[in-house]
Amino acid sequence: DAKTTQPPSMDCAEGRAANLPCNHSTISGNEYVYWYRQIHSQGPQYIIHGLKNNETNEMASLIITEDRKSSTLILPHATLRDTAVYYCIVSRKGSARQLTFGSGTQLTVLP
Amino acid sequence: GAVVSQHPSRVICKSGTSVKIECRSLDFQATTMFWYRQFPKQSLMLMATSNEGSKATYEQGVEKDKFLINHASLTLSTLTVTSAHPEDSSFYICSAPAGGPDTGELFFGEGSRLTVL
Repeated sequence: DAKTTQPPSMDCAEGRAANLPCNHSTISGNEYVYWYRQIHSQGPQYIIHGLKNNETNEMASLIITEDRKSSTLILPHATLRDTAVYYCIVSRKGSARQLTFGSGTQLTVLP
Repeated sequence: GAVVSQHPSRVICKSGTSVKIECRSLDFQATTMFWYRQFPKQSLMLMATSNEGSKATYEQGVEKDKFLINHASLTLSTLTVTSAHPEDSSFYICSAPAGGPDTGELFFGEGSRLTVL
């Protein structure tokens, strides 16, 4: 599976949009981009995934560049409860076993 | 959404004893479950894949005789840490693909923090 690169940490003001970038320049055509987050001392939580089109759900939006080499997770109105480590993972769909968690981005939402 | 529950959430045991951690899918059936381990300030590492009705698949470097996995039903997988030692102290997390094995959408349990004295 393709590797991803994320900034180790980011801050965001409460109520503002949080934009979390992820580089995956070696992504293959059949690989999806998945985003998970892990609040301290809890199990990870699935957020969203996409292949090449932008995706939106009740939690977030996922913007994937046209060349698919990078993506951005957008939390439109960050709250203090969004403080967590956010993981960007690239994997073939149907291979949940192959989801490899990197070091992620520690997002801190500031009051 | 799909719910995966783990028990116990915290356990403290003496060195040399065995500890069992349960992982249940509460509102869906899971033929496959995954067990992860997470050390402080590190990311999740996949330990093994639990398969209902068959043997678990272990990742390289994970001792299958030390970390016993049983997937006795479509809603329950157990991880037993045998003869636990302080270096086994970690955060153990299970997950299951709620949409079936052909999905990358995993639902995770709350995690079980093991402390071996």
